[in-house]
Amino acid sequence: DTAVSQTPKYLVTQMGNDKSIKCEQNLGHDTMYWYKQDSKKFLKIMFSYNNKELIINETVPNRFSPKSPDKAHLNLHINSLELGDSAVYFCASSPEGSYGYTFGSGTRLTVV
Amino acid sequence: DAKTTQPTSMDCAEGRAANLPCNHSTISGNEYVYWYRQIHSQGPQYIIHGLKNNETNEMASLIITEDRKSSTLILPHATLRDTAVYYCIVRQAGYSTLTFGKGTMLLVSP
Repeated sequence: DTAVSQTPKYLVTQMGNDKSIKCEQNLGHDTMYWYKQDSKKFLKIMFSYNNKELIINETVPNRFSPKSPDKAHLNLHINSLELGDSAVYFCASSPEGSYGYTFGSGTRLTVV
Repeated sequence: DAKTTQPTSMDCAEGRAANLPCNHSTISGNEYVYWYRQIHSQGPQYIIHGLKNNETNEMASLIITEDRKSSTLILPHATLRDTAVYYCIVRQAGYSTLTFGKGTMLLVSP
């Protein structure tokens, strides 16, 4: 009964590969997000989806492509992985209004 | 969204109250003050939020000054498990996203 679940928890892959991270929320929230936390621990918003529609796309390379098949899922596909993509990626969701976000436990991506 | 200023780190003895300050002098009338924390190797966790009035829940209390230019998060009886980075964020309700700063590293010691 995890509220926001991400898979996999750990991902080690070689440069140039393509990988996906999956996120699912069972809270009935309308909006989902992807955040990236780099080695310096800064958390940065990457994407925001509301009811399957992209509403925010920060300056993220187009090798990153989010996909939302329905409002409970927001997957992140990354093409041609680079060393600098190594980070922890967090998925989150929120309802409309002033309520807080619920975050997943993160996916640690290591590109070697 | 308005920017916030927090101390880089704070210490607290176990069992004592932890008072974490935050300055947000440019906050707008429709912006809320949110507090999140991130325990090592975990996702950020929502703690509390407020607009004008002081708020309390099972985790903490939020005190917002009358001019709304600063706030204090109070953990009434800090435990070792409260050791984390605490983020103060101001944000409009609706579709604006949470923008995290550097936060305050709170270390609770025995």
